[in-house]
Amino acid sequence: EAGVAQSPRYKIIEKRQSVAFWCNPISGHATLYWYQQILGQGPKLLIQFQNNGVVDDSQLPKDRFSAERLKGVDSTLKIQPAKLEDSAVYLCASSLEIAGGRETQYFGPGTRLLVL
Amino acid sequence: AQTVTQSQPEMSVQEAETVTLSCTYDTSENNYYLFWYKQPPSRQMILVIRQEAYKQQNATENRFSVNFQKAAKSFSLKISDSQLGDTAMYFCAFMSPGYGNKLVFGAGTILRVKS
Repeated sequence: EAGVAQSPRYKIIEKRQSVAFWCNPISGHATLYWYQQILGQGPKLLIQFQNNGVVDDSQLPKDRFSAERLKGVDSTLKIQPAKLEDSAVYLCASSLEIAGGRETQYFGPGTRLLVL
Repeated sequence: AQTVTQSQPEMSVQEAETVTLSCTYDTSENNYYLFWYKQPPSRQMILVIRQEAYKQQNATENRFSVNFQKAAKSFSLKISDSQLGDTAMYFCAFMSPGYGNKLVFGAGTILRVKS
């Protein structure tokens, strides 16, 4: 079974530029998550989708971050414009249903973003 | 707010020995889950073990076991017979239906297994 795929793996941009990340979850997984992992910290949930609807985006900085999950499969996360503090690893994860503790979240390899 | 604290930024252990990673959490919820995730260098994060708060019995998965002390809000991970492949960042995490079923992670502990 293929795992969660993410691209690109690495991205370097200058501040105020835009960037987009792509995620393809495990086939059949209804729930998709985007996390931000800043160096030295644990991952922080940015947004959670159930199929193509948003379940939780309370920690997404909506003035510069946006995400969509068209057709309930692939998802993109965009930052526009980027700031220095956005330098982090962006992790995508998926689970069969909403992870209520008994569901396992499967993580992708992440996209490492450096904003100069 | 739910918080997870890992007080050991780095640990090291000799191959074949046993090591324990510490984790404490703070919550007012009674129904919740606790997890240990492993993130090897440049590889995907994977679930190591999970514990349901209402279960008194400590969870075990092969060489990995936990010591869950609910009253003390402590959740430590014990790795027995450490192997070189156990070298990774380990994250303790919390989830509760009362907190939107969101995973809340600690800052992590880097574990290095030495030969």
